[in-house]
Amino acid sequence: GDSVTQMEGPVTLSEEAFLTINCTYTATGYPSLFWYVQYPGEGLQLLLKATKADDKGSNKGFEATYRKETTSFHLEKGSVQVSDSAVYFCALTDNYGQNFVFGPGTRLSVLP
Amino acid sequence: EAQVTQNPRYLITVTGKKLTVTCSQNMNHEYMSWYRQDPGLGLRQIYYSMNVEVTDKGDVPEGYKVSRKEKRNFPLILESPSPNQTSLYFCASSPLGPQGVDTQYFGPGTRLTVL
Repeated sequence: GDSVTQMEGPVTLSEEAFLTINCTYTATGYPSLFWYVQYPGEGLQLLLKATKADDKGSNKGFEATYRKETTSFHLEKGSVQVSDSAVYFCALTDNYGQNFVFGPGTRLSVLP
Repeated sequence: EAQVTQNPRYLITVTGKKLTVTCSQNMNHEYMSWYRQDPGLGLRQIYYSMNVEVTDKGDVPEGYKVSRKEKRNFPLILESPSPNQTSLYFCASSPLGPQGVDTQYFGPGTRLTVL
């Protein structure tokens, strides 16, 4: 079945460092891909999405490109801030269009 | 404001005492879903609904019931809660696009403790 693999972390960075969180997927169809962020004590919020190959999603300085050839959707940010400390989830829509498949989440801590 | 609301936000109860967690969305979304989040296990789907009167099991439906009588509401019912249902619960809703479920919008969560 469809699945999402992402580095589980925790990832600890200093403020202004470059961030990459890897996400790879297995899917039989042509899924949409998402990154969600969960700040402490809150629900998940959409960070960015891409709906087809080579699309780049971007928001709040974060970017991810839908790479069909490598089945990847890695999240990047050039300069992280303390306020980016959160758990990040990679996800895709399943082949039936009925559900999401979530990765396990990656906890990011940014130190001042 | 477009949102998904859940109530209560926090609940402590005892084994066997029936409870309902409400979920409501004001975005006219067809799709709604319930998840539980547990440390080390990530997000697991309990039930989902593609539209009014259409519900289906997710990955961990045992011990839970849902209903979808109106488009905006999707309550989660625990008829006889047990301690292993202690968890953080999230409701979500989504419009249905040409490919099916699209961006999901999540509620703030309900932290349930069953003693």
